[in-house]
Amino acid sequence: NAGVTQTPKFQVLKTGQSMTLQCAQDMNHNSMYWYRQDPGMGLRLIYYSASEGTTDKGEVPNGYNVSRLNKREFSLRLESAAPSQTSVYFCASSPSDRRIVGTGELFFGEGSRLTVL
Amino acid sequence: ILNVEQSPQSLHVQEGDSTNFTCSFPSSNFYALHWYRWETAKSPEALFVMTLNGDEKKKGRISATLNTKEGYSYLYIKGSQPEDSATYLCSLTQLTFGSGTQLTVLP
Repeated sequence: NAGVTQTPKFQVLKTGQSMTLQCAQDMNHNSMYWYRQDPGMGLRLIYYSASEGTTDKGEVPNGYNVSRLNKREFSLRLESAAPSQTSVYFCASSPSDRRIVGTGELFFGEGSRLTVL
Repeated sequence: ILNVEQSPQSLHVQEGDSTNFTCSFPSSNFYALHWYRWETAKSPEALFVMTLNGDEKKKGRISATLNTKEGYSYLYIKGSQPEDSATYLCSLTQLTFGSGTQLTVLP
């Protein structure tokens, strides 16, 4: 049982390049999330998906797109990377039901460290 | 965007000391408050999910209380150990996190 798996773990991009962060969970959770973590700022929500087929913006969605490919997978895409997107990205899943403001605890992946030069 | 504040930002205590941190949040439209423990180079791990005013939860030497009417939660650690050193995060549901309290327990 792997839990939440993120790839890649490390990536260096040049400004303007694109890339996709992949996330998969094997816990049959309905809800999935992408966060970024910057020094002194805790975790900030980028996008989330309450259930398969739905996605919604979080606090800092600009410059990102997401795809909930199926119940297991939730990808985050940077179409044109900028230095301001240098960060550590965490994917998480939760057993919350149809309501997004749920009580289900989050299960996190190990994080992906992205550097944009 | 709801404002979740944690204090203090960082804390150093001696092994064996008991300590506590605060998470403050808007008291209107409360649904759930989560506490997470985040060790360096690892991922956050859930400690507690709290939903009811007056809730008290305990896991070993760590406990938490919740006051939804006044908008705060306390996390307590009794008899701190070096392995308790971590950042402790609170969040309102899964959507808004505080910036965390970084605890260092000195042997």
